[in-house]
Amino acid sequence: KAGVTQTPRYLIKTRGQQVTLSCSPISGHRSVSWYQQTPGQGLQFLFEYFSETQRNKGNFPGRFSGRQFSNSRSEMNVSTLELGDSALYLCASSLDGTTVNEQFFGPGTRLTVL
Amino acid sequence: GENVEQHPSTLSVQEGDSAVIKCTYSDSASNYFPWYKQELGKRPQLIIDIRSNVGEKKDQRIAVTLNKTAKHFSLHITETQPEDSAVYFCAAISPQYALNFGKGTSLLVTP
Repeated sequence: KAGVTQTPRYLIKTRGQQVTLSCSPISGHRSVSWYQQTPGQGLQFLFEYFSETQRNKGNFPGRFSGRQFSNSRSEMNVSTLELGDSALYLCASSLDGTTVNEQFFGPGTRLTVL
Repeated sequence: GENVEQHPSTLSVQEGDSAVIKCTYSDSASNYFPWYKQELGKRPQLIIDIRSNVGEKKDQRIAVTLNKTAKHFSLHITETQPEDSAVYFCAAISPQYALNFGKGTSLLVTP
């Protein structure tokens, strides 16, 4: 099976712009979670989607949003970018939402905000 | 929400020695505790996990222990090798499927 893929792998934006990141889960996986990874804060949970519904959200401002499509692919959007949004954004997929299963990570999107 | 504390933040051991990383969590409802290894420039990969109905789990040189009463769990790596050098993250999952990570431990194994 193909692993979790994320596009684009690298992005450079300027403050005030918005950005959309994409995540394609492993075939058959219906849960997609998003994380922000920075050197100082480690891996921080953004949100999790299952069957096109956001089930949980971390402590991030409303500028961070996401959605999931019927094929389980997910996108996250960050509006009005700030310098502090520079980070590696990782998505992870897992099998389903009825039991806790291993999360498989994608390679990440490296976002740089200038 | 869940809060996961991880110690130490850095750990240096000599090849062949053991390494221990400890984590505590706050939400007593958490029921799944994975450990991820992240090599430089790569994605996190699961190395071992434990569920709340088990106290210990072992996979070759890696073991994890869980103390639900004290709300802490630990990763033990025996006979360390240079290729074990990486950042290790513990995590606890809430019943709402939010995976909360510790801040990571940078492990360096010197030959």
